[in-house]
Amino acid sequence: LAKTTQPISMDSYEGQEVNITCSHNNIATNDYITWYQQFPSQGPRFIIQGYKTKVTNEVASLFIPADRKSSTLSLPRVSLSDTAVYYCLVGDVDSNYQLIWGAGTKLIIKP
Amino acid sequence: ETGVTQTPRHLVMGMTNKKSLKCEQHLGHNAMYWYKQSAKKPLELMFVYNFKEQTENNSVPSRFSPECPNSSHLFLHLHTLQPEDSALYLCASSHTGAEGDGYTFGSGTRLTVV
Repeated sequence: LAKTTQPISMDSYEGQEVNITCSHNNIATNDYITWYQQFPSQGPRFIIQGYKTKVTNEVASLFIPADRKSSTLSLPRVSLSDTAVYYCLVGDVDSNYQLIWGAGTKLIIKP
Repeated sequence: ETGVTQTPRHLVMGMTNKKSLKCEQHLGHNAMYWYKQSAKKPLELMFVYNFKEQTENNSVPSRFSPECPNSSHLFLHLHTLQPEDSALYLCASSHTGAEGDGYTFGSGTRLTVV
């Protein structure tokens, strides 16, 4: 099972673009990369998922280089409400329950 | 009502009590999960149900007993818990084998064992 490495914490300011990078050196061919957001005392919320290159939705973008050993979650123009813990997970979408959750990145947005 | 709903939101129980946590999903998903999230620890997978059948039990103590009567409902029965079982218990669901949607989590039950 592929494990991920993320920074423990990051700070930024309102209106800035925030990039959180995740390392997953032993990603397998069938693995997808998924990012979740979690606010205190709530369940994680799905943000974005990708396999290669770039994926964009209304919330974020996900950049994946050709070797897929890392990925970067990009949050455009963050606000105070984006303060949360962000998790990067790698796993086979056909076996969701085998995803391993790490400690995540605690993102703090300042005014 | 849509999404994943968990009840109760908060629960305080003594070590000799028996209680149950309830989870309900209205998403038409085929898989449901129980997770435990302790303070400053990663999410720990406890149980997985796929099409109502339990497919995973991650060495969870027998004082936790899951039940999945149908693909929309999941219960976690609790008895003779220990103080270290105090945590946020999260229920999630997903389309088994589907791409792009991941898990949908409920808001969790904050359990305190006294």
